[in-house]
Amino acid sequence: NAGVTQTPKFRVLKTGQSMTLLCAQDMNHEYMYWYRQDPGMGLRLIHYSVGEGTTAKGEVPDGYNVSRLKKQNFLLGLESAAPSQTSVYFCASGARAGDYNEQFFGPGTRLTVL
Amino acid sequence: RKEVEQDPGPFNVPEGATVAFNCTYSNSASQSFFWYRQDCRKEPKLLMSVYSSGNEDGRFTAQLNRASQYISLLIRDSKLSDSATYLCVVTLLANQAGTALIFGKGTTLSVSS
Repeated sequence: NAGVTQTPKFRVLKTGQSMTLLCAQDMNHEYMYWYRQDPGMGLRLIHYSVGEGTTAKGEVPDGYNVSRLKKQNFLLGLESAAPSQTSVYFCASGARAGDYNEQFFGPGTRLTVL
Repeated sequence: RKEVEQDPGPFNVPEGATVAFNCTYSNSASQSFFWYRQDCRKEPKLLMSVYSSGNEDGRFTAQLNRASQYISLLIRDSKLSDSATYLCVVTLLANQAGTALIFGKGTTLSVSS
């Protein structure tokens, strides 16, 4: 049971390049999330998904797109990277269990945009 | 006003000390409350949920005061391994699909020998 995995772990892009971050979970969770973490800002929600084939915007969605074609995978895309997107990106997944809403996080992807 | 506010610290304490962190949240509709722990350059991990009745897990005690919109975490007999950033987290909707976590910026604890 690997939990939540993310690829790649590190990436350096030039302004204007595109890339896709992959998140995978093997816990059969319905809900998946993408967050970004910046110094002094805390974690902020980019997009989330409540099930296969569904996605929704979070607090800071601009410049990102997502897809959830399979239940276990949640992809985050940057179509045209900007230096402001330099950050650490965390994927998380969660299951419905009463009012206990624990989310499990992946190890993160450290992205630098030059 | 930020939705979830924490004193960033750092809190520098010796081993064996008792340390308390506080957190306030602005939305009175908040339903679920948690403390997450994040080690340097690692992902956040759930430390404990916080209930109105208060809850204890070993050396850790969490309290919630809904009237004051205030959450606390008490760590007794601090260990070197407690050094980390502690994130106060709330959700607006309990038991709802797609409920995202709202994070505070975290409080940094450094325990020294």
